[in-house]
Parts: sequence; structure tokens; C-alpha cells
Amino acid sequence: DVKVTQSSRYLVKRTGEKVFLECVQDMDHENMFWYRQDPGLGLRLIYFSYDVKMKEKGDIPEGYSVSREKKERFSLILESASTNQTSMYLCASSLIGTDFLYEQYFGPGTRLTVT
Amino acid sequence: DQQVKQNSPSLSVQEGRISILNCDYTNSMFDYFLWYKKYPAEGPTFLISISSIKDKNEDGRFTVFLNKSAKHLSLHIVPSQPGDSAVYFCAASVQGAQKLVFGQGTRLTINP
Repeated sequence: DVKVTQSSRYLVKRTGEKVFLECVQDMDHENMFWYRQDPGLGLRLIYFSYDVKMKEKGDIPEGYSVSREKKERFSLILESASTNQTSMYLCASSLIGTDFLYEQYFGPGTRLTVT
Repeated sequence: DQQVKQNSPSLSVQEGRISILNCDYTNSMFDYFLWYKKYPAEGPTFLISISSIKDKNEDGRFTVFLNKSAKHLSLHIVPSQPGDSAVYFCAASVQGAQKLVFGQGTRLTINP
């Protein structure tokens, strides 16, 4: 059974703190993604990775960085958390396809509150 | 700029009736479209997809229609059931791009 897990369901951090969000998938997927979900804005792509140590910026990468040292693990880093980064963060993974787009499988999300 | 738009934030439908969720897109390069369903406290799950070479795809109670000239797609759920109450996201992609662009979501409520 397909599984994407995220390290925390709920997280409260203070402004200026460095925050790590971890995501692990057990499906041997090449692609991994980080999104944030905000009311009225839907899901917006922050970063994605198509291979170990490879990354590409999504639509809203400012204030974030990522790390992918192992195929199954993709970390999102908030270098200095700010209140406007309070959001639901969703991790996803998928197989890589050239002629076919494979569906993305999502984790349950991490609700981050920055105070 | 919002390339994928779901203009209805919410929709309420009676159980047993048809639910129609709409989605518009602006990027004519998009050639693959998906619908995801999200329950509270869970991640989105894939529901149904359609390639731009088709104008309709069916899976049980769910049918997606694509109108390329209008850059519009819709999801029909017939008959609607209480378990269909969720937020539905439309997403679009260009084949080979690996990335999805999501709409804002529509909250569907099925009333008994």
C-alpha cells in the first residue's frame, strides 16, 4: 500500500526559528514535492525534486529551501520562520514519466503555526 | 496569476442528485488534467484524470468532461452521496513536466 508520511501533524514555532519538515515515501518514487495549502489559494508548489540531490523551484520558493539526500526522504526547511509561513504543508511523491503523467500521492499534511 | 481557477468556493447538493464542479484554465499548453479529493486532516487523493486527446472520461459515479476550446473542465458526480462531501481540487499539467498546477478548490457538501 502506497504511503507518504510527514514527521509532524501539528507544529508551533516562533518567528525567526529554523524549522524542518520531513517527508518519507516508501514507494521508490523518483519525484517528491512540497506544497502549501492556504484558504482561497489552493495548493501551491514550493519545491520539487526529481532525483537525489536534485531540486527545482516551484511557484513560491522564497523563504524556503529543501534537501534530498536519500531517495525516500525530502525535507523542507524554513530558514527563519515568519508569521506569513503559517500554513498547511503537504508533501507528495510520484513516479517519473516522460510520455505519461503519474498521479501524485500525498501525505496527511503538517499544520504549521508561526507565532 | 492563477492558471487554474475554480470560481466556486463551495457547492451544496442534495443526496442522490448530480454534483457538477467546474474548473477553468488559461494556459493552452496544459494537456493533462486531474481531480483530487481532500477530506479534513488528510492529504488529497487522486480521483480521476483526462488527457487532452479525449473529451470525456468515466469512472463509476465520476465523469470528467474537457472542453479544450473553452479551456474548461468539469467533474460530474452521479448520484451524489454523503461520503462525497470534501474539498475537490482541479489540477493541470503539461506532459513530461512532472509538476501539477492546482486550482483553489471547491468545498462540496452533500445534504441528506
